[in-house]
Amino acid sequence: GENVEQHPSTLSVQEGDSAVIKCTYSDSASNYFPWYKQELGKRPQLIIDIRSNVGEKKDQRIAVTLNKTAKHFSLHITETQPEDSAVYFCAAGDYGQNFVFGPGTRLSVLP
Amino acid sequence: ETGVTQSPTHLIKTRGQQVTLRCSSQSGHNTVSWYQQALGQGPQFIFQYYREEENGRGNFPPRFSGLQFPNYSSELNVNALELDDSALYLCASSSGANAGGRSDTQYFGPGTRLTVL
Repeated sequence: GENVEQHPSTLSVQEGDSAVIKCTYSDSASNYFPWYKQELGKRPQLIIDIRSNVGEKKDQRIAVTLNKTAKHFSLHITETQPEDSAVYFCAAGDYGQNFVFGPGTRLSVLP
Repeated sequence: ETGVTQSPTHLIKTRGQQVTLRCSSQSGHNTVSWYQQALGQGPQFIFQYYREEENGRGNFPPRFSGLQFPNYSSELNVNALELDDSALYLCASSSGANAGGRSDTQYFGPGTRLTVL
């Protein structure tokens, strides 16, 4: 089955700096890769997703890159703000039939 | 916020009891997935329902079972509760892309926090 690893487990950055979170997956059949943000006590919220036929996708300060050959994908947040502080989860799966989530990255943006 | 709702928000049970959790999917969505999120971990896939049929299952024992109703709302039932079942239970709804129920973007509900004593 699919296995998703995520690094780093914790990340602290200064406000305004960039943050990068990396994930690797094992199943070459996976073709959909969402990223979720979860604030303390709240539901995971989809922030960006990418499909296997696309190498990069951007949405304002957030971007995701996918390397299918190497089986890894990354989340890039630029110009970080204190409200970006949360736990971020990557996931990999076959169009939602069975998502496997990474263990999460706790991002702290320091003012 | 998504249109996905869950009830109850919190629940306390004792070991060996049974529990039923409920999820109402977002309008227009016919697929519901259930996840277990232990403290400090990522969500783990339990199973998915598409048009009232189970459409995939994760590595959870048979005492975890589910239902989906004609209005696409769903229930998660857990029998013979164990201490390790204490977790946040999340449902996520999506729209099935084809007859196989494969869909991508999933929107999560607020979760039910289950505590087993």
